[in-house]
Amino acid sequence: EIVLTQSPATLSLSPGERATLSCRASQSVSSDLIWYQQKPGQPPRLLIYDASNRASGIPARFSGSGSGTDFTLIISSLEPEDFAVYYCQQRSIWPLTFGGGTKVEI
Amino acid sequence: EVQLVESGGGLIQPGGSLRLSCVASGFTVNSNYMSWVRQAPGKGLEWVSVMYSGGGTYHADSVKGRFTISRDTSKNTVYLQMNSLRAEDTAMYYCAREEKRSFDIWGQGTMVTVSS
Repeated sequence: EIVLTQSPATLSLSPGERATLSCRASQSVSSDLIWYQQKPGQPPRLLIYDASNRASGIPARFSGSGSGTDFTLIISSLEPEDFAVYYCQQRSIWPLTFGGGTKVEI
Repeated sequence: EVQLVESGGGLIQPGGSLRLSCVASGFTVNSNYMSWVRQAPGKGLEWVSVMYSGGGTYHADSVKGRFTISRDTSKNTVYLQMNSLRAEDTAMYYCAREEKRSFDIWGQGTMVTVSS
């Protein structure tokens, strides 16, 4: 199965700062990479699909890039509601797999 | 409104069985791939099972032979039958719809605790 490694595990930033999250796949997933945001007590929320396409209703400060094995999620200017855990997921090969998550904290 | 509502979780002894339900509204469950994804307390997300729109199924190795996903289109509901439960199956179980090769709709989850 494809292993997704997210880094860093924790990102400590302030509102207004830029957040850069990484997801690396153990083998190529082409552009079949998805990003989710999860807040405590809530299910995950779809942010980015196909590596770089924002889901409906997602603010433009969220952007995704990459292909093959290396992917990046950027939050250009952190808002208070953006402090959460972010997961990447690959849809290229079954079984579907998720990364271990990056916690963005204040 | 498009939504998913799970139910059926609870406290169960090791070796026991549970059936989770996921009722869909705003779309039909046989028009999309439908998956179960779980999250152990304080841990990350783990994909468990999928039912393809055509009716086929696929399960993660960790649950293969113990869990079965199914659906009832008349009730617009997806199920997860869980047998031979183990402590490591303790988790919040989410039902999720796949659209554009991503999980765009998630339920609120139902908690399963396996403990004696």
